[in-house]
Amino acid sequence: DQQVKQNSPSLSVQEGRISILNCDYTNSMFDYFLWYKKYPAEGPTFLISISSIKDKNEDGRFTVFLNKSAKHLSLHIVPSQPGDSAVYFCAASAWGNTGFQKLVFGTGTRLLVSP
Amino acid sequence: DAMVIQNPRYQVTQFGKPVTLSCSQTLNHNVMYWYQQKSSQAPKLLFHYYDKDFNNEADTPDNFQSRRPNTSFCFLDIRSPGLGDTAMYLCATSSSLGPNSPLHFGNGTRLTVT
Repeated sequence: DQQVKQNSPSLSVQEGRISILNCDYTNSMFDYFLWYKKYPAEGPTFLISISSIKDKNEDGRFTVFLNKSAKHLSLHIVPSQPGDSAVYFCAASAWGNTGFQKLVFGTGTRLLVSP
Repeated sequence: DAMVIQNPRYQVTQFGKPVTLSCSQTLNHNVMYWYQQKSSQAPKLLFHYYDKDFNNEADTPDNFQSRRPNTSFCFLDIRSPGLGDTAMYLCATSSSLGPNSPLHFGNGTRLTVT
């Protein structure tokens, strides 16, 4: 049962345009959402996050939007740069009964930004 | 630079032959995690340590065990690897258990069971 879904395995965008990566979740107990970025042969690195009490968080070229009623979040990259080409993982967390915020990841979306 | 280091980067083992993957960190983080990521799948949490407290995910196979002898090191032992254990194994750390402490990942060990 995939609780965090990234339905687009890949996305191609031209340099300078907007990249929009989407993520859907099913567990209404999730209260914190994160995006990680992964280059080939490297581990994922944290990019940006959002709490469920907010609907938008912005950090430079990166903005995450959260629509709780739709159980949907998206990552916007504006403007996109070739160096943004990577796999982007959406992740969500909820408090478990062991006092631990367990992260559940999506399967990732491969973004290719062409010059 | 403070970091999370995994060794080896690539490991090939035979079916049923025990294997140990290692992870070290210089971040002095309390929490260490092991994730398994199979091809085209999401990373899946196997277990985590908060200091020396070990927490096993309910669906982690008994074949998988872990040791954390000190703050800096954590090991993943696979007692009798099967072909289905071929995957990327990712070690990660965080300063606390809360979501405000993002995970810092190592570069992973790609394990192939033949």
